Amino acid sequence: DQQVKQNSPSLSVQEGRISILNCDYTNSMFDYFLWYKKYPAEGPTFLISISSIKDKNEDGRFTVFLNKSAKHLSLHIVPSQPGDSAVYFCAASEGTYKYIFGTGTRLKVLA
Amino acid sequence: KAGVTQTPRYLIKTRGQQVTLSCSPISGHRSVSWYQQTPGQGLQFLFEYFSETQRNKGNFPGRFSGRQFSNSRSEMNVSTLELGDSALYLCASAGEGAETQYFGPGTRLLVL
Repeated sequence: DQQVKQNSPSLSVQEGRISILNCDYTNSMFDYFLWYKKYPAEGPTFLISISSIKDKNEDGRFTVFLNKSAKHLSLHIVPSQPGDSAVYFCAASEGTYKYIFGTGTRLKVLA
Repeated sequence: KAGVTQTPRYLIKTRGQQVTLSCSPISGHRSVSWYQQTPGQGLQFLFEYFSETQRNKGNFPGRFSGRQFSNSRSEMNVSTLELGDSALYLCASAGEGAETQYFGPGTRLLVL
């Protein structure tokens, strides 16, 4: 049973526009969420995180929104740049370092 | 500060063999986690070590084991390799009390 789901395997966005990546989870006990970006042949790179006591966290062009009632989080990238093209993973945990990852969304930003 | 390092980066083994992968965490980090990444499955959690003790465990068979040394370096061992073990194995470290994990570049294992 996939506790963390990224239902869109891929997404294409024009440069300068907003990219919205979505993630759904089923375990209401998850209290910490992270987004990672992964380029081929490299390990995932931490992007941004959010605790369950918040509903929004911003870091530069990246904003993560958490909707606990819907068990949904999203990552917004504004404006999107070609260098943002990568696979994005969301991950969730319930107070431990046992993170459950989604299957990833491949973002392609078109120049 | 140096990042997480993993050795070797690439490995080819045959079915039935065993393999040991190594991970050196970021200096000062005492938590080391291991993940398996396969196409379509995302990252699957294997286990997490903290101060030489396994603290969390995923749903992998007993062929997958690990250990952590007093300097926080960690090794992962897979015995009796199967074709389905071909994957990218990622190691991540975290500081005490910090939620964010930092990943190494991974070891790509191919089982023939």
